[in-house]
Amino acid sequence: GQNIDQPTEMTATEGAIVQINCTYQTSGFNGLFWYQQHAGEAPTFLSYNVLDGLEEKGRFSSFLSRSKGYSYLLLKELQMKDSASYLCAVDDDYKLSFGAGTTVTVRA
Amino acid sequence: IAGITQAPTSQILAAGRRMTLRCTQDMRHNAMYWYRQDLGLGLRLIHYSNTAGTTGKGEVPDGYSVSRANTDDFPLTLASAVPSQTSVYFCASSDGSPHNEQFFGPGTRLTVL
Repeated sequence: GQNIDQPTEMTATEGAIVQINCTYQTSGFNGLFWYQQHAGEAPTFLSYNVLDGLEEKGRFSSFLSRSKGYSYLLLKELQMKDSASYLCAVDDDYKLSFGAGTTVTVRA
Repeated sequence: IAGITQAPTSQILAAGRRMTLRCTQDMRHNAMYWYRQDLGLGLRLIHYSNTAGTTGKGEVPDGYSVSRANTDDFPLTLASAVPSQTSVYFCASSDGSPHNEQFFGPGTRLTVL
């Protein structure tokens, strides 16, 4: 089976940095995704990693270590609109297995 | 239509009733998926279709069926709804290029009483 773990909740202050960790154990691996989901809305794509290393997209960066089964999503210069759930998902045989999600609350 | 749509937006259903959730995409994506999302459990794959005419079972397929008669539509049917099927259902699609990024519909909130 698939096992994808991420923290349930995190709280941070506006303007700060937050790092959301994700560890995974899956039978296959074709890449790792991060999605953002605001309350009551659909998940939207944030980032994709398939090779080890850091991918940067503006205020968001995502890191992958395949040997350690580990990824993190880094959110910089936090804004109130970043309050959302962040979902880690592993592509195994071209189907996604999702972690339960991390709810990030940004406080003023 | 722009992207992926789902209907209905929400539904309250009596246990034992049959229900079909509709999903339509206009992106000509080959692959489509149905997930359910429950608090604390995240998104779980119910059924998927890699291309029109084919379907496969996901992690939690029991009590659900799907069909894929054409590229655009991927309906999910609950033959006899039970309260444990109360959930938010998301449909998604992907063309697999450059990677398997999935685009999600707005979701259907289903309550089975």
